[in-house]
Amino acid sequence: QVQLQESGPGLVTPSGTLSLTCAVSGDSLSSSNWCSWVRQSPGKGLEWIGKVYHSGSTNYNPSLKSRVTISVDKSKNQFSLKLTSVTAADTAVYYCAIYSTVTGFDPWGQGTLVTVSS
Amino acid sequence: DIQMTQSPSSLSASVGDRVTITCRASHGISSWLAWYQQKPGKAPKSLIYAASSLQSGVPSRFSGSGSGTDFTLTISSLQPEDFATYYCQQYNSYPLTFGGGTKVEIK
Repeated sequence: QVQLQESGPGLVTPSGTLSLTCAVSGDSLSSSNWCSWVRQSPGKGLEWIGKVYHSGSTNYNPSLKSRVTISVDKSKNQFSLKLTSVTAADTAVYYCAIYSTVTGFDPWGQGTLVTVSS
Repeated sequence: DIQMTQSPSSLSASVGDRVTITCRASHGISSWLAWYQQKPGKAPKSLIYAASSLQSGVPSRFSGSGSGTDFTLTISSLQPEDFATYYCQQYNSYPLTFGGGTKVEIK
């Protein structure tokens, strides 16, 4: 059973860089699915951030593309998110998830709250 | 971007009720639609993919239907553990987008 666990700082200063890692257990990142990030602002809905394939190929949400980098580290079976120039609007619970072009997002990590504040 | 519109945004229902949630896409998405259940403080959980296919382990009281632009999620007999927020999501084209959610509350 595949399990995902997000980790990273819970507080980031405005104009700084948000960095999160998602550790994957129970399966190899060299399988055929994508690794993705989704966020949810407090009390709001879900927003797809982007995804990375084990080859390193990526797709990003155009609304965030200029600030986002998603990468994969197959040796550690984990993938990462970097979001630059953050503002209070980037405060959210960040989820990592495995994405399949057939079945959508499944499974999900438990999520981690990142607050942007000085 | 494909906009996903869910209705209603919230509903009140009793245990045993049949509940139907609708999701409309701003452009045709074939059957590339998924439904997720989210409980407070928890991650979303996949219920249905490809509009009508049940994820492994999901109770059969959940069902999905539709194609093109109009989709429905039906809970045939609402159980206490089903009180949650439900989201639809299209994966026909980028960016991947979600509906605004439907909160199912106890009547």
